[in-house]
Amino acid sequence: DAGVIQSPRHEVTEMGQEVTLRCKPISGHDYLFWYRQTMMRGLELLIYFNNNVPIDDSGMPEDRFSAKMPNASFSTLKIQPSEPRDSAVYFCASSPTGWTNEKLFFGSGTQLSVL
Amino acid sequence: DQQVKQNSPSLSVQEGRISILNCDYTNSMFDYFLWYKKYPAEGPTFLISISSIKDKNEDGRFTVFLNKSAKHLSLHIVPSQPGDSAVYFCAASHDSGYSTLTFGKGTMLLVSP
Repeated sequence: DAGVIQSPRHEVTEMGQEVTLRCKPISGHDYLFWYRQTMMRGLELLIYFNNNVPIDDSGMPEDRFSAKMPNASFSTLKIQPSEPRDSAVYFCASSPTGWTNEKLFFGSGTQLSVL
Repeated sequence: DQQVKQNSPSLSVQEGRISILNCDYTNSMFDYFLWYKKYPAEGPTFLISISSIKDKNEDGRFTVFLNKSAKHLSLHIVPSQPGDSAVYFCAASHDSGYSTLTFGKGTMLLVSP
């Protein structure tokens, strides 16, 4: 398996533009997590899905952020409109069960820069 | 409010010596602890974990120690190798689930030849 695949690797956009980050989890993994990494706050959980259903989005910072998982092999994280403070590395991760008896696999991340 | 704290942003060690990375936590409900390793331009990868019912777990050159009374854990790497140079994240969960996983900010380890 190729692991968790994220695209794009880098995204540079201007303030006010819409940004869409994409993630393909490992096949057979029922749980998908979106994280954001910043210098100030470290790695934070934004939202997670179980069997394509959003379970907890309490980490989503504002209504400008939304996430979807239309099927088991694809998820998106959208920011509209984007702001400079959204600049961060966004990671997608997947796990078979959501429990720590199984490993959590991260993608390589999307480096987002909002100018 | 940082519930998992890694107070050393960076650590430099010579090859062959021991690396000790520290982590403190404040939530007494945490019952499972993990260490992740992250190379530049890659995502974090699982390294080693420990349950709160244990005080030590070893995997090859990596050993994690847990001191529940002090709410402190540490990762020992012996002997350190240049390939160990990476950012190390401490993480904790209070229901053994990833939905409650809380990460520290990381410690950058540099192992010099």
